[in-house]
Amino acid sequence: QVTLKESGPALVKPTEALTLTCTFSGFSVNTFAMRMSWIRQPPGRALEWLGRIDWDDATVYTTSLKTRLTISKDTSKNQVLLTLTNMDPVDTATYYCARSRPGSSALDIWGHGTMVIVSS
Amino acid sequence: DTQMTQSPSSLSASVGDRVTITCRASEIISNSLAWYQQKPGKVPKLLLLGASTLESGVPSRFSGSGSGTDYTLTISSLQPEDFGTYYCHQFYTNPWTFGQGTTVEIK
Repeated sequence: QVTLKESGPALVKPTEALTLTCTFSGFSVNTFAMRMSWIRQPPGRALEWLGRIDWDDATVYTTSLKTRLTISKDTSKNQVLLTLTNMDPVDTATYYCARSRPGSSALDIWGHGTMVIVSS
Repeated sequence: DTQMTQSPSSLSASVGDRVTITCRASEIISNSLAWYQQKPGKVPKLLLLGASTLESGVPSRFSGSGSGTDYTLTISSLQPEDFGTYYCHQFYTNPWTFGQGTTVEIK
């Protein structure tokens, strides 16, 4: 069974860095053409794709966050990490990790999401 | 970045109605499009991929079509459980992008 679970702080202060962990099971992130994305959703608003890391360690980031966002993976722990620096209240959102299975880049499995509030 | 514009932003329809949601890309995305359903407080669920391929377990009343820059999601006979917000997502160009969502309300 494929599962994803996000974890990390629920509250961060402005200017701090956020690190979230996506722990997954039931597949290997090193499988050819596997991709892992991070998506966020501010309260009451639309989904925003943040970035992804591919099986070969290639990364792609959304343009607006390119200078603040890093996505990495720890294969030995079955984890994908998101680091977002210089947090601002507008970064308050539910953060999801999601998988794209080989053969399609559609996001077929999602974690339950983790809510992050940015406030002093 | 490829902008994805959905219309309408919201709609209200009756059970049994045929519902169509449109997604327009700012450039050709060659059927590299997925549709998701998100119910309030829940995780998005993949409905269709490759513009028209139904994900396993998704009811056949959902269908997708389109080409080039214009794509549609159709619910052939709206059911009470189909309420929620629907998002399109293009994965043809980097960075990937979502539409702004279409909220479906049951009358």
